Amino acid sequence: GQQVMQIPQYQHVQEGEDFTTYCNSSTTLSNIQWYKQRPGGHPVFLIQLVKSGEVKKQKRLTFQFGEAKKNSSLHITATQTTDVGTYFCAAYWYSSASKIIFGSGTRLSIRP
Amino acid sequence: NAGVTQTPKFQVLKTGQSMTLQCAQDMNHEYMSWYRQDPGMGLRLIHYSVGAGITDQGEVPNGYNVSRSTTEDFPLRLLSAAPSQTSVYFCASSDPGFGEQYFGPGTRLTVT
Repeated sequence: GQQVMQIPQYQHVQEGEDFTTYCNSSTTLSNIQWYKQRPGGHPVFLIQLVKSGEVKKQKRLTFQFGEAKKNSSLHITATQTTDVGTYFCAAYWYSSASKIIFGSGTRLSIRP
Repeated sequence: NAGVTQTPKFQVLKTGQSMTLQCAQDMNHEYMSWYRQDPGMGLRLIHYSVGAGITDQGEVPNGYNVSRSTTEDFPLRLLSAAPSQTSVYFCASSDPGFGEQYFGPGTRLTVT
């Protein structure tokens, strides 16, 4: 079935260090979304990528969609304690337009 | 505008009992979905609906039923609860066509 692999599962960084999480699919995606979930909370939408090679920035967060639309990444520059949480990618495929599949998430913890 | 609401917030069931998790949204979204979240497993799609009267299965539909009689409501029924259904359940809604998903606060279910 359709699935998207997300790595790493955990990342523990010193405050101020950078952080990156990756999502990979074996088949071409139509688009990909990224969500953040704070501990004890619910997922909150961050961004959507649609075009091949697309790069979007939100302050210290940079989102990329691969040229082949099979992979995506989220990079946080100079992490802050407010960045703590789990980051999920969520993928759509052309063959099942209404069905969104989430990656397993990357949990980010930060040493102050 | 309450967004997506879920009831109850917490529930404990005995094996074999049945119950319905409620989900409602006031954003007039056509698309609604149910996820379960287990540690290290991310969010797994149970069932989804693209509009009133239309439902479809997600990744892990066994043991769950849904119906969509109105745009606003999308209840999830557990027919005969099993310990393997212990999880946190999230309901989400969005506009059709790869829209941003809005999540409810979740229901934490324990089956003993």
